[in-house]
Amino acid sequence: GDSVTQMEGPVTLSEEAFLTINCTYTATGYPSLFWYVQYPGEGLQLLLKATKADDKGSNKGFEATYRKETTSFHLEKGSVQVSDSAVYFCALRPREVTDKLIFGTGTRLQVFP
Amino acid sequence: GAVVSQHPSWVICKSGTSVKIECRSLDFQATTMFWYRQFPKQSLMLMATSNEGSKATYEQGVEKDKFLINHASLTLSTLTVTSAHPEDSSFYICSAKLDLSYEQYFGPGTRLTVT
Repeated sequence: GDSVTQMEGPVTLSEEAFLTINCTYTATGYPSLFWYVQYPGEGLQLLLKATKADDKGSNKGFEATYRKETTSFHLEKGSVQVSDSAVYFCALRPREVTDKLIFGTGTRLQVFP
Repeated sequence: GAVVSQHPSWVICKSGTSVKIECRSLDFQATTMFWYRQFPKQSLMLMATSNEGSKATYEQGVEKDKFLINHASLTLSTLTVTSAHPEDSSFYICSAKLDLSYEQYFGPGTRLTVT
């Protein structure tokens, strides 16, 4: 079945460091791909998305490119801030099932000043 | 906008009792809500899709009689864990979907501990 694999955390960085969180997926067809972020005590929020191959989603300095050839959707940010500390979830929505989301395990990011 | 709340945020109950968790869409109407369960260091697993005015659709392997879902209004869905056991201890998260959209908005989750 469809699945999402994320790198295990926590990822610990100093402020202004470069961030990469790896995400790969297994799916039939062409799913839509998402990154969600969960700040402490809050619900998951959509960070960015891409709906077809080679699309790049971006928001708040974060970017991820839908790579069909490597079935990946890695999250990147050029310069992280302390306020980026949160848990990041990669997810996919199968093309043929429009409501269901399949999540990765989440990666905790800790940014220190 | 598009805020979803859950109540309670955490609950401790004794084995054999039932506990109800509420999910509310505060500023929009949601025909469809979803219930997820999250184990430590594991993915959010979809338990069921809750549709206002009709029976919930459960994912394979989820016990319908144990996890009762009611979606009686366009802003409220409830999950009742019946005859709870320690293995039901988990983090339960709901989301609500805007009508005519695929976007889901998530609640902050409810930590259930069964002793």
